[in-house]
Amino acid sequence: SQKIEQNSEALNIQEGKTATLTCNYTNYSPAYLQWYRQDPGRGPVFLLLIRENEKEKRKERLKVTFDTTLKQSLFHITASQPADSATYLCSTTHGSSNTGKLIFGQGTTLQVKP
Amino acid sequence: EPEVTQTPSHQVTQMGQEVILRCVPISNHLYFYWYRQILGQKVEFLVSFYNNEISEKSEIFDDQFSVERPDGSNFTLKIRSTKLEDSAMYFCASSESSRTGVHGYTFGSGTRLTVV
Repeated sequence: SQKIEQNSEALNIQEGKTATLTCNYTNYSPAYLQWYRQDPGRGPVFLLLIRENEKEKRKERLKVTFDTTLKQSLFHITASQPADSATYLCSTTHGSSNTGKLIFGQGTTLQVKP
Repeated sequence: EPEVTQTPSHQVTQMGQEVILRCVPISNHLYFYWYRQILGQKVEFLVSFYNNEISEKSEIFDDQFSVERPDGSNFTLKIRSTKLEDSAMYFCASSESSRTGVHGYTFGSGTRLTVV
């Protein structure tokens, strides 16, 4: 079955730098990947979706890439700010499910220091 | 911006008791979901609901759990005979379609269930 793997170690960077988070999937290439932000004690908040046939997607300071050869998606935050500190979750639908079931990675916690 | 509303935000219950977690999805959304997150662990799928019936459920969603859409706005998760291991954050989510498009899923802020 499909698994989503994210680096469970926290990522600490200095304000203004670019944060890069990695998401790897283990099985078939999903039709799309989604990235969410989760703050402590809160629900995930949708950020970006990238489709299998898209190499890159941008939204303001966020950029997501999708490499089907490496089975990997990278999530970049440029000009990072302390307010970007949160846990970032990678997710996709499970198999050929048409029911909208999402599977999530463990999430990577980003800490941006001023 | 439309929100998914969950109540209560925190529920403490005695082991063996029944709890009902409530959700008001976004009004024009057709697909509804429950997920849970045990402290420090992944967000896990429990159940999806469409057209007034369960469309998919996980292994976690056994006979102890049930969902209902009693009226046009509420979506509830009932947990019967709660166990200590049911303690978790429970998130309700909704989406326009099962294929999300560009909008992803909208999650509520969650109900923290503590079973003592």
